[in-house]
Amino acid sequence: GENVEQHPSTLSVQEGDSAVIKCTYSDSASNYFPWYKQELGKGPQLIIDIRSNVGEKKDQRIAVTLNKTAKHFSLHITETQPEDSAVYFCAASRAGGGADGLTFGKGTHLIIQP
Amino acid sequence: DAGVTQSPTHLIKTRGQQVTLRCSPKSGHDTVSWYQQALGQGPQFIFQYYEEEERQRGNFPDRFSGHQFPNYSSELNVNALLLGDSALYLCASSFGRMNTEAFFGQGTRLTVV
Repeated sequence: GENVEQHPSTLSVQEGDSAVIKCTYSDSASNYFPWYKQELGKGPQLIIDIRSNVGEKKDQRIAVTLNKTAKHFSLHITETQPEDSAVYFCAASRAGGGADGLTFGKGTHLIIQP
Repeated sequence: DAGVTQSPTHLIKTRGQQVTLRCSPKSGHDTVSWYQQALGQGPQFIFQYYEEEERQRGNFPDRFSGHQFPNYSSELNVNALLLGDSALYLCASSFGRMNTEAFFGQGTRLTVV
């Protein structure tokens, strides 16, 4: 089955700086890569996703890049703000029906220092 | 537009008991997936329901079972509870058995004592 590795486990950045979280996956058949943000006591919130036919996707301060050959993808947050503090999860799956759900990384605790 | 709703939010059960958790999907979604999230870990896929049938299953024992109703809502049942079943149980809904744009509820925190 799919295996997703996520690094780092904790990331502390100054407010206004950029943050980068990296993930690798093992199943070459995976073609959908979402990122979720989870705040304390809440369920994961989908913040951005990318499919394997696209190399990069941007939404305001958030961007995701995908390297299919190397089987890795990254989340980039620019101009970080205090409300960006949370646990971020990457995931991988086959997008279509019959897939075995989303396989998640272990998460990155992002801390924004004021 | 109501998102994914789960009930109850918290639950305490004794070892050996049985528990039922409930989920209502986001409006317009017909597929429900259940995940278990242990403390400090990412969610792990339990199973997915579509058209009232279990379509896919992760690496979980038969003690974990589920059901989907005609209105697309779903239940997760866990029998013979173990201490290790203590976790946050998350429901995610999507459309058409797809894993894309899956939206999660706030979860049910289950504690087994």
